[in-house]
Amino acid sequence: SYELTQPPSVSVSPGQTARITCSGDALPKKYAYWYQQKSGQAPVVVIYDDIKRPSGIPERFSGSSSGTLATLTISGAQVEDEADYYCYSTDSSGYHRVFGGGTKLTVL
Amino acid sequence: QVQLQESGPGLVKPSQTLSLTCTVSGGSIRSADYYWSWIRQPPGKGLEWIGYVFYTGDTYYNPSLKSRLTVSVDTSKNQFSLKLTSVTAADTAVYYCAREGRRCYDSSCYFSYFDYWGQGTLVTVSS
Repeated sequence: SYELTQPPSVSVSPGQTARITCSGDALPKKYAYWYQQKSGQAPVVVIYDDIKRPSGIPERFSGSSSGTLATLTISGAQVEDEADYYCYSTDSSGYHRVFGGGTKLTVL
Repeated sequence: QVQLQESGPGLVKPSQTLSLTCTVSGGSIRSADYYWSWIRQPPGKGLEWIGYVFYTGDTYYNPSLKSRLTVSVDTSKNQFSLKLTSVTAADTAVYYCAREGRRCYDSSCYFSYFDYWGQGTLVTVSS
């Protein structure tokens, strides 16, 4: 079955740049989406279509994709950005959606 | 403002059927612009996409759950539902319902992102 691979954890100090990667064989042809989930809450989309930011999401959140690797970048990470981040995409068929395993971002 | 609300038993016995309903308010489920999805999250673990239903009744399921899963829609009640049979402790999770955008061009349709989620409901499988 199709898988998206993320690092389990990333840690940065406030104000630093955090980068979270997502690896998947179909990513060259399929969009990546990024969801932020804070403790006890439903996820919220922060990046869609690889690089687009929904309204209301701070500009410090950006996305990129190259080959089989999608990256979520948080420029000048803040304490309130501490959360679990999940990439989401589909296999080459376009039907089977899958979440990455999630990355716990620590900002301290 | 669109709202989604999950409802159903919080405790299910092993080998029985888990049934949940998601009620949509503030918008019609009868829309070609959205898929209606279920996602779950075992305690302390990551998200797992379960499957979706379109307002026409078309569905697509996670292959790992397909043999036990039925997702259906009731447009008259603005609800969609999940049934998972033969549950085990591994099915213990917070279950979310969510609305996923749908866009079509060049005679093909694709998903967009989940823009509205329910608050999630914990279902525990235990005797």
